[in-house]
Amino acid sequence: AQKITQTQPGMFVQEKEAVTLDCTYDTSDPSYGLFWYKQPSSGEMIFLIYQGSYDQQNATEGRYSLNFQKARKSANLVISASQLGDSAMYFCAMREGRSGNQFYFGTGTSLTVIP
Amino acid sequence: GAVVSQHPSWVICKSGTSVKIECRSLDFQATTMFWYRQFPKQSLMLMATSNEGSKATYEQGVEKDKFLINHASLTLSTLTVTSAHPEDSSFYICSAYPDRGNSPLHFGNGTRLTVT
Repeated sequence: AQKITQTQPGMFVQEKEAVTLDCTYDTSDPSYGLFWYKQPSSGEMIFLIYQGSYDQQNATEGRYSLNFQKARKSANLVISASQLGDSAMYFCAMREGRSGNQFYFGTGTSLTVIP
Repeated sequence: GAVVSQHPSWVICKSGTSVKIECRSLDFQATTMFWYRQFPKQSLMLMATSNEGSKATYEQGVEKDKFLINHASLTLSTLTVTSAHPEDSSFYICSAYPDRGNSPLHFGNGTRLTVT
């Protein structure tokens, strides 16, 4: 089974609108961390936001927030007030406590912001 | 913040030659570094886990004699593509993270390898 599933290969959003990128995960480890990364066309991987499995509150970082639904094993990224510079690939990732150093990545979602 | 430096950012080489890519953690020590390969519009494919002071752990299907990894210190890992062929052309990206539980992976900016 896939550890991280991103079901949206491509998404479009109007500038200044909000958009949600979906991510579901699979683990039986009670301790894990969830991460979102942005990869623009230039290739670098930019860390956006982190959610720990024991965190009670949803993580927020500026225009990014993580909609963490533990029972559903989902960790959707919400980008508010989209900007043209948000056009990029977005990857969801997970690190399990018991797996030590290993990170699992989803297949990514390509987001295009339309002016 | 934690910075990972990767060099070169791009390289063109002839078939049959070897290419070395360096990955350095500039402001933190990394016992473990990871090397990924990425094809256009696809996700990261983990090639190997580089462990300081010991042999790298390669993922299934990755030729360890072709992709030599050396993790010489807590801040430096190198990937050498030996006897490169056109099919090795790809985007290679390294990552590392400080040994703290909640820390994210920090990535280098990647190396675009073109083998002619």
